[in-house]
Amino acid sequence: NAGVTQTPKFQVLKTGQSMTLQCAQDMNHEYMSWYRQDPGMGLRLIHYSVGAGITDQGEVPNGYNVSRSTTEDFPLRLLSAAPSQTSVYFCASSPRGSYNEQFFGPGTRLTVL
Amino acid sequence: RKEVEQDPGPFNVPEGATVAFNCTYSNSASQSFFWYRQDCRKEPKLLMSVYSSGNEDGRFTAQLNRASQYISLLIRDSKLSDSATYLCVVNRHSSASKIIFGSGTRLSIRP
Repeated sequence: NAGVTQTPKFQVLKTGQSMTLQCAQDMNHEYMSWYRQDPGMGLRLIHYSVGAGITDQGEVPNGYNVSRSTTEDFPLRLLSAAPSQTSVYFCASSPRGSYNEQFFGPGTRLTVL
Repeated sequence: RKEVEQDPGPFNVPEGATVAFNCTYSNSASQSFFWYRQDCRKEPKLLMSVYSSGNEDGRFTAQLNRASQYISLLIRDSKLSDSATYLCVVNRHSSASKIIFGSGTRLSIRP
């Protein structure tokens, strides 16, 4: 099993550009989520999904969209990048009934100029 | 005030020492508690759950004090490989969307 994979590992964007961060898991996990991690802030939940076709907002959803068309994939779209979105983005997944044990991907380091 | 607070450290201790750090949470309805470990520039990984009666996993001991709303992590006989950031995690309502991460305590073990 590859676990949770994320691409790209690094990305630099200009203000106003859009892009999609990819996340995939091969563990047949029901729950998937996106977090951002900023210095001194801890991980903050952006969006999450409890199954294919179901998504909901987390703590900091503004400026981001998600969709979940399959169990495996959960892409995060930045609609119009802003410098405040410079961060490390982690995707995570958990099996049904065990939401507390989250398996994280390696992260994407995003810089918005 | 943050819902989950941790001393950011860094804690710098010699190999073989015992080190402990606490985490406080503000929501008294919180139901589940965990410690995650995050190595530098890596993803977080679950270290251990924290049970009401306290629990051990090898050199690691976790404890929960509901009355004072804090959890602790004790590391005995510390190894160089224990150097990492330790994240306190609280689940407010046993819901996937109510998991709150602390900002972490950085631990550095010196030879």
